[in-house]
Amino acid sequence: AQKITQTQPGMFVQEKEAVTLDCTYDTSDPSYGLFWYKQPSSGEMIFLIYQGSYDQQNATEGRYSLNFQKARKSANLVISASQLGDSAMYFCAMREGLGNQFYFGTGTSLTVIP
Amino acid sequence: GAVVSQHPSWVICKSGTSVKIECRSLDFQATTMFWYRQFPKQSLMLMATSNEGSKATYEQGVEKDKFLINHASLTLSTLTVTSAHPEDSSFYICSAKSPGLAGVVRETQYFGPGTRLLVL
Repeated sequence: AQKITQTQPGMFVQEKEAVTLDCTYDTSDPSYGLFWYKQPSSGEMIFLIYQGSYDQQNATEGRYSLNFQKARKSANLVISASQLGDSAMYFCAMREGLGNQFYFGTGTSLTVIP
Repeated sequence: GAVVSQHPSWVICKSGTSVKIECRSLDFQATTMFWYRQFPKQSLMLMATSNEGSKATYEQGVEKDKFLINHASLTLSTLTVTSAHPEDSSFYICSAKSPGLAGVVRETQYFGPGTRLLVL
């Protein structure tokens, strides 16, 4: 089974609107971390936001927030007030327990329309 | 945030030659670094985990004799693609595991800018 599933290969959003990028995960480890990364066309992976499995509150970082629904095993990324510079690939990733390995989803290509 | 550099950013080489890619953590010590490979419009695929002072751990299906990894210091890991062939053309990304600062910064992985390899 896939550890991380991103079901939206491509998304479009109007500038200044909010957009939600979906991510579901699969693990039996009670301790895990969930990450979102942005990859612009240059290729660099940019860390956006982190959510720990024991965190009581949803993580927020500026315009990024993570809608963490533990029972549903989902960790959707919400980008508020989209900007043209937000156009990029977005990857959801998970680390299980104290392990080093990151499991990445297949990514979602976001295009912000002026 | 933490900075990880990679060198070179672009490399074009002839088939049969070897190519070395460097990954450096610039402002923290990384006992563990990772090498990923990414094909166009696909996700990152972990190739190997590089541990300082010990042998790298390779993922299933990755040839350790073809992709040599050396983690000689706490800030440098190198990936050498030996006898490169056109099918080795890809985007190679390294990441370094940052220990984080207790109560301030969570442990996470920071990625380098990547190296595009084209083997002719």
